[in-house]
Amino acid sequence: GQQLNQSPQSMFIQEGEDVSMNCTSSSIFNTWLWYKQDPGEGPVLLIALYKAGELTSNGRLTAQFGITRKDSFLNISASIPSDVGIYFCAGPETGTASKLTFGTGTRLQVTL
Amino acid sequence: EAGVTQFPSHSVIEKGQTVTLRCDPISGHDNLYWYRRVMGKEIKFLLHFVKESKQDESGMPNNRFLAERTGGTYSTLKVQPAELEDSGVYFCASSSLPGQGTETQYFGPGTRLLVL
Repeated sequence: GQQLNQSPQSMFIQEGEDVSMNCTSSSIFNTWLWYKQDPGEGPVLLIALYKAGELTSNGRLTAQFGITRKDSFLNISASIPSDVGIYFCAGPETGTASKLTFGTGTRLQVTL
Repeated sequence: EAGVTQFPSHSVIEKGQTVTLRCDPISGHDNLYWYRRVMGKEIKFLLHFVKESKQDESGMPNNRFLAERTGGTYSTLKVQPAELEDSGVYFCASSSLPGQGTETQYFGPGTRLLVL
């Protein structure tokens, strides 16, 4: 099946800093999704991207759908303690309706 | 509106035992999905129900796993007999629209399974 590679695996940043993480694939995805998982909870959708080149914001979060359709990045500006969690990129596997493929996740820790 | 709920939240069992996980989707959601995250790895798709029918079960690891959704409401995932490698977090998700890949899947909090 398709694979999504996320980097970095983990990040330790100070409150107020900006964060950037990305997701790459060797194959094309037609939709890119970014989820966040808080400790003890399930993943929650943050941003959905549907067109190559699309740049979408949700509050302090901004995500882009790469032109090649093989990558996406997520930026968080002015991080706060509640940004702590695991961020996953995901996309429906090509040829399927809704079978999501997930990346391995980026674990974000924010220190005061 | 209540979200996706899963029961139990945690389960610790011995190798060879049976465990049944339950998922209650958001009311009215025809699509129900099971995913699993093994320690440190990515979240992997297990299967997809549309109402009571299995639409895609290509991610089910082997025949020790049995998923059901009788009546098209809640779903159960039974592991029998459990093996050590079955340990992980089992997530359930549901969505409302026909599975076209662009509808939002709402995830439950997961069941953390530990097989000793």
